[in-house]
Amino acid sequence: IAGITQAPTSQILAAGRRMTLRCTQDMRHNAMYWYRQDLGLGLRLIHYSNTAGTTGKGEVPDGYSVSRANTDDFPLTLASAVPSQTSVYFCASSGAPPNTGELFFGEGSRLTVL
Amino acid sequence: GESVGLHLPTLSVQEGDNSIINCAYSNSASDYFIWYKQESGKGPQFIIDIRSNMDKRQGQRVTVLLNKTVKHLSLQIAATQPGDSAVYFCAENPHDAGNMLTFGGGTRLMVKP
Repeated sequence: IAGITQAPTSQILAAGRRMTLRCTQDMRHNAMYWYRQDLGLGLRLIHYSNTAGTTGKGEVPDGYSVSRANTDDFPLTLASAVPSQTSVYFCASSGAPPNTGELFFGEGSRLTVL
Repeated sequence: GESVGLHLPTLSVQEGDNSIINCAYSNSASDYFIWYKQESGKGPQFIIDIRSNMDKRQGQRVTVLLNKTVKHLSLQIAATQPGDSAVYFCAENPHDAGNMLTFGGGTRLMVKP
């Protein structure tokens, strides 16, 4: 059982470059999320998608974009990376309501922007 | 603004003892409160949740207590084992927010053999 698969697991990127973090789930969950995790700040929601074809902004969306062309994939794109986007990025999904708060997370993508 | 936070950033316990991890929250309009465990180098893993109309919920070796009067949430782990060593996050699921959780900053639990 794969669950949530993220790629790459780690990446070093020059500032100004474009980067796409990939996320795929095999649980047929409707909702998907992108969080970033920074020391001392916990997990913060970047973008979300409640169902294929729809997306929404979370707490810290600036500098990021997402798309949800189908149920399984939810890529996160940094159009022009900046050092403040150095972080660990987690993709997550959740199934049908009731919305109890149970999310299934991937293993994370560690991104360093120089 | 609304926030979820933790009292203790690091907790060290002896193997076999019980552990209590605490969390304060400020959003009274949350439907669910949740605990996640994150082991080093891995993604967060759901442990247990509690609905806002409950005071206590038990799982396997874990108990979550919710005190709405003082806006306090705790996670109790019985007979703590080395495999329990991790960072624990509380989170809240605001009403009508879907599953867009607000996470606290985390508490590191260290289990001494």
